[in-house]
Amino acid sequence: GENVEQHPSTLSVQEGDSAVIKCTYSDSASNYFPWYKQELGKGPQLIIDIRSNVGEKKDQRIAVTLNKTAKHFSLHITETQPEDSAVYFCAASIPGDFGNEKLTFGTGTRLTIIP
Amino acid sequence: KAGVTQTPRYLIKTRGQQVTLSCSPISGHRSVSWYQQTPGQGLQFLFEYFSETQRNKGNFPGRFSGRQFSNSRSEMNVSTLELGDSALYLCASSLEAGARYEQYFGPGTRLTVT
Repeated sequence: GENVEQHPSTLSVQEGDSAVIKCTYSDSASNYFPWYKQELGKGPQLIIDIRSNVGEKKDQRIAVTLNKTAKHFSLHITETQPEDSAVYFCAASIPGDFGNEKLTFGTGTRLTIIP
Repeated sequence: KAGVTQTPRYLIKTRGQQVTLSCSPISGHRSVSWYQQTPGQGLQFLFEYFSETQRNKGNFPGRFSGRQFSNSRSEMNVSTLELGDSALYLCASSLEAGARYEQYFGPGTRLTVT
């Protein structure tokens, strides 16, 4: 299968608190897991990614964890700020044509930071 | 460095017509992927072009087609438009073909079919 499930679909957190978004994937061949942030009227922006040879990656207030055995990965945002409000998408690579992989996306999480 | 640009940004077409959308990748990027984004289906992969050749394809009907030029700019065409084709069409560029390379998205073209 090629599904990526993402939860929750909406999330509201108080400014300064942490936010966690979780995704599960079904294809055991998936080995690249990017996260995108999409603001209103804009295209998705890559914010962090992780490859299957590591379990965790951090970039300032953003971190991603990967559990290949359980086939799930999560996005963690700490010390949330109003500008973190956006829709977040997870994605997983799946086998495609000619040996090239393609991305399959989760359904998105609308994150709202409450001032 | 300039980002991915897409033209036009907004488009209104009538059922049965055809439409062509354009994407200019980041300078130096040789791969362009196209996605359809709708509230119901989310982000869905259409196809990827690299070195003027289609390298990957999603599960869309043959009405959706694309091409890439020698300067890496890409176009996608939708023929015989249907109401369900109304969507935000996004292109993304990357250095090489395949999802393992970081993809950078453009702002999208909002297509409305009436």
